[in-house]
Amino acid sequence: DAKTTQPTSMDCAEGRAANLPCNHSTISGNEYVYWYRQIHSQGPQYIIHGLKNNETNEMASLIITEDRKSSTLILPHATLRDTAVYYCIVRVSYNTDKLIFGTGTRLQVFP
Amino acid sequence: DSGVTQTPKHLITATGQRVTLRCSPRSGDLSVYWYQQSLDQGLQFLIHYYNGEERAKGNILERFSAQQFPDLHSELNLSSLELGDSALYFCASGASGTDTQYFGPGTRLTVL
Repeated sequence: DAKTTQPTSMDCAEGRAANLPCNHSTISGNEYVYWYRQIHSQGPQYIIHGLKNNETNEMASLIITEDRKSSTLILPHATLRDTAVYYCIVRVSYNTDKLIFGTGTRLQVFP
Repeated sequence: DSGVTQTPKHLITATGQRVTLRCSPRSGDLSVYWYQQSLDQGLQFLIHYYNGEERAKGNILERFSAQQFPDLHSELNLSSLELGDSALYFCASGASGTDTQYFGPGTRLTVL
């Protein structure tokens, strides 16, 4: 699985969009970008994943650059409950193997 | 609520003891994964079971073992506990043919 690089921490005002970047310059053609988050020692929570097209669900949007070397997770209207560590993981789809978590980005949403 | 349950929520024990952590996957999920999260190591994969059979092992110590039963629940056994085994232990489940893992709330183990 390709290695990812994320900023250690970010701040975002409540109600504003939170844009969390992830670099994955060594991503392979068959590898997807996954995002999980962990809210204060709770179990990690799946957010979204994508291959090359932009994806959106009820939680977030995922924007992947055309060369697929980087992506951005967007929380359109951040709330205090979105304060968490966000993990960007690159892996082959339908790979039922382990998830490899890096250090993630600690997002702090402030009032 | 992910649908994955773990018991107990908290466990405090002494060095040298043995404990068992239990995980019930989401209904219909055949895969169970165990992860350990300590302060200095982050989230680390331990072991994966699929429909009762071991599929993959990570950095799991020999003092640790796991199994998945016919009803698909899983147990993680930790023996000869050391102070460094204090951590959060998460179980995740996944459906056959998909790659999304759903995590339980975790068990916080404290070894004194």
